[in-house]
Amino acid sequence: DTAVSQTPKYLVTQMGNDKSIKCEQNLGHDTMYWYKQDSKKFLKIMFSYNNKELIINETVPNRFSPKSPDKAHLNLHINSLELGDSAVYFCASSQDRGGYGYTFGSGTRLTVV
Amino acid sequence: QQQVKQSPQSLIVQKGGISIINCAYENTAFDYFPWYQQFPGKGPALLIAIRPDVSEKKEGRFTISFNKSAKQFSLHIMDSQPGDSATYFCAASRVGSEKLVFGKGTKLTVNP
Repeated sequence: DTAVSQTPKYLVTQMGNDKSIKCEQNLGHDTMYWYKQDSKKFLKIMFSYNNKELIINETVPNRFSPKSPDKAHLNLHINSLELGDSAVYFCASSQDRGGYGYTFGSGTRLTVV
Repeated sequence: QQQVKQSPQSLIVQKGGISIINCAYENTAFDYFPWYQQFPGKGPALLIAIRPDVSEKKEGRFTISFNKSAKQFSLHIMDSQPGDSATYFCAASRVGSEKLVFGKGTKLTVNP
C-alpha cells in the first residue's frame, strides 16, 4: 500500500489550460503539504493543511488553489497554466506539526507547452 | 534569503569512500534537522534526523554531526556504495511550524 499517492504521475498540457493533481495519504496523518521542485531540484513549500484547515500559504500565485475535502486528501488545482509552472509537484504528510517525519509522494511532473 | 545553505552542489566518491555533505543555517529557532534522500523519479525519503541537544547521531553507515555554536550540521556516509547515488537534501524546522526549509541539494555519485 502506497502511503502517500499522487495522480497523475505525469501531466503534459498546453498554456492556459486548467488542471488538477490529486493526493491521498493512508497514514492517518493530520497535516498535508504541497511542495514544488524546480528544474534545479530546489524544494519549496507551497501550502500546508492541518485537519482540512489551511495553515501555510506561501507566496504562490492565486492561480494555484488547494482543496482538502478531508484530512486524508489534498488536491491542487491550477488555473491558466503558464510555462513557468512546469515543475515536479510533491504532496507530503506528517503526523505532527513542526515539520517532523514528512512522508512524500512520488511526485507529479507537470510540463506546460 | 536562503535559510539553509548546503554544499557541495555535487559530489563524486569512489566506492568504499566517505561522502560528506555540509549544511549551515541562520535561524537559531530551528530545532529539528533532517536529511532526505531522493532517487530519480521518486519523492524525497527521510534518511536520518537530529535535534540540537545531541552532537552526533548514527544510523548504520549514516551519521549526522551537529555543531550548535557554528550553526552547522553535516551528513557523513561511510563505506559509500553505488546504491547511495542520489540527491541528498538537508532541512530544518522549528517548534510550532509545519514548514520544512530545505537546502538546495547535493547530487552524490558513487563510482564502482
